[in-house]
Amino acid sequence: GESVGLHLPTLSVQEGDNSIINCAYSNSASDYFIWYKQESGKGPQFIIDIRSNMDKRQGQRVTVLLNKTVKHLSLQIAATQPGDSAVYFCAENAGNMLTFGGGTRLMVKP
Amino acid sequence: NAGVTQTPKFQVLKTGQSMTLQCAQDMNHEYMSWYRQDPGMGLRLIHYSVGAGITDQGEVPNGYNVSRSTTEDFPLRLLSAAPSQTSVYFCASRQGRAWYQETQYFGPGTRLLVL
Repeated sequence: GESVGLHLPTLSVQEGDNSIINCAYSNSASDYFIWYKQESGKGPQFIIDIRSNMDKRQGQRVTVLLNKTVKHLSLQIAATQPGDSAVYFCAENAGNMLTFGGGTRLMVKP
Repeated sequence: NAGVTQTPKFQVLKTGQSMTLQCAQDMNHEYMSWYRQDPGMGLRLIHYSVGAGITDQGEVPNGYNVSRSTTEDFPLRLLSAAPSQTSVYFCASRQGRAWYQETQYFGPGTRLLVL
């Protein structure tokens, strides 16, 4: 995935609402996908992953959906909280290399 | 268990200077890698290692060297710093190469400013 430059796409949601963050990946050979959360001044933090033989995986308050036909990945966060405010990156893994997408900034309004 | 640690947290260099960014992990992970993150962008892979004594290039390797003499340590060397290398550098590790060992864990980052 290519970067989106200096201005990250931003998703603004009301506290308590559900959030959906989307990601398009580029390599049809990628077989493993990860969502990371990055707070200001910190390293990326693992949220949830999914393998290419699955189309949905659920964690605590988070769900990842994978559509291999259109090479699309989404992260759904239920009952979004102020602590969810961060930049979210998807990453695709093919072989030994992990390639990151450009990121989406999630802002949660109280 | 400290996870992935990086030093220094912040560094200022002059153009042409060299330095080494340190990375260590105490999880006995085979696989380690270095990424750089420029403002408002995702992470790009610089170099990676699949085990002690083995390194390989990532997406943006030019201007950087690595070595992996032990499982725990994976230093990144800037040979002659350039302003284009101003960035935040993240080290990451993962348990191994098998599919169930793929999750990468990141260090806190080193902010580098090259004047």
